[in-house]
Amino acid sequence: EVQLVESGGALVQPGTSLRLSCAASGFTFDDYAMHWVRQVPGKGLEWVSGINWNSNSVGYGDSVKGRFTISRDNAKKSLFLQMNSLRPEDTALYYCAKGFGEAFYYYYLDVWGKGTTVTVSS
Amino acid sequence: DIQMTQSPSPLSASVGDRVTITCRASQSISHYLNWYQQKPGKAPKLLIYTASNLHTGVPSRFSGSGSGTDFTLTISSLQPEDFATYYCQQTFDNPLTFGGGTKVEIK
Repeated sequence: EVQLVESGGALVQPGTSLRLSCAASGFTFDDYAMHWVRQVPGKGLEWVSGINWNSNSVGYGDSVKGRFTISRDNAKKSLFLQMNSLRPEDTALYYCAKGFGEAFYYYYLDVWGKGTTVTVSS
Repeated sequence: DIQMTQSPSPLSASVGDRVTITCRASQSISHYLNWYQQKPGKAPKLLIYTASNLHTGVPSRFSGSGSGTDFTLTISSLQPEDFATYYCQQTFDNPLTFGGGTKVEIK
């Protein structure tokens, strides 16, 4: 069974850092791009970041560019999101999602995890 | 950045109705448009990819069309399990962007 399991969400103070992880199973991880998508409770979906299969190409949404860094470890079948300089507006449920192809653009997101919650508050 | 605008929102409909949701891109995205369904407390699920292709396991009452800047998602006969929020997403250009969502409510 194809599965994505996020972890690392927490309650943190503004200005601090947090690292999210996503463990993949049930598919050949290094064949596919991966993504992070977030959702404020009661609001819409926001694409946060994507990374292609070999980490050579990454992309970020405007609201996180320069603060968040996406990475992956194909040997460990894991995706990461390093979040620095966190702001209250980063509070959201963060989903890990699998892209259908090698590049993070062009292809759709066909498998999603259940998400991990990040709360940024003093 | 490419802006994605969905309409209407919300959408009130009855079981058995034919429902159409529109998504408009701020510039041409060719056919790189996907549709997702999300129910409360659940992760989004892929319905339609590259504008008109039905994802595996999705009922045939769902269909998608369009290219360039204008796209539609149609549900031919709304079922009780279809009451949910629907999002379009462009994957043509970085950053990828979602529409604001269309909540399909019971009339």
